[in-house]
Amino acid sequence: GAGVSQSPSNKVTEKGKDVELRCDPISGHTALYWYRQRLGQGLEFLIYFQGNSAPDKSGLPSDRFSAERTGESVSTLTIQRTQQEDSAVYLCASSWQGYTEAFFGQGTRLTVV
Amino acid sequence: KQEVTQIPAALSVPEGENLVLNCSFTDSAIYNLQWFRQDPGKGLTSLLLIQSSQREQTSGRLNASLDKSSGRSTLYIAASQPGDSATYLCAAYNTNAGKSTFGDGTTLTVKP
Repeated sequence: GAGVSQSPSNKVTEKGKDVELRCDPISGHTALYWYRQRLGQGLEFLIYFQGNSAPDKSGLPSDRFSAERTGESVSTLTIQRTQQEDSAVYLCASSWQGYTEAFFGQGTRLTVV
Repeated sequence: KQEVTQIPAALSVPEGENLVLNCSFTDSAIYNLQWFRQDPGKGLTSLLLIQSSQREQTSGRLNASLDKSSGRSTLYIAASQPGDSATYLCAAYNTNAGKSTFGDGTTLTVKP
């Protein structure tokens, strides 16, 4: 596609429910990153994919968070048993290789009520 | 562990002024440094990417410089306009980490 696409753009969920966030990277981009941005704060690294393997999962805040990627395409970030502190904008970025220019999607705004 | 700092956190200038945003990083073994712009409620838009072998990159009214040895990058905005109002973030990419580390950003307000 023309750019990184994330869906849904907004998600409101009840505490304790599971949510799935989707990221479609730019076609041909092998590297894919997930970040979290709380209101008024900077970017918090979550996980990095090179192809469909995840060399660095160090940023996942708890075992309620998981992510997978199919081939060098779509990635999903799953949050189980959501908590209010999970409320944030979740941003996805992709790049041709990890060290090349990164392009971001518009993010998914998650609100846990 | 790479740490990236951006000072000031916020900056307000009158329209037409030239300004400099600062980005410093602790680990100078970076592969590249990228500057982004973020508008409220939006994702990040890439502005400039400087490779470690480069000293600067220019795009229109924007000029980014890189000094690896001192761990600093600056983003120069010439003849600022109200439309430049946004948060500007820098990100340093370290090959050994396989990822970029972001600063917290500088929020710029350009007043008409």
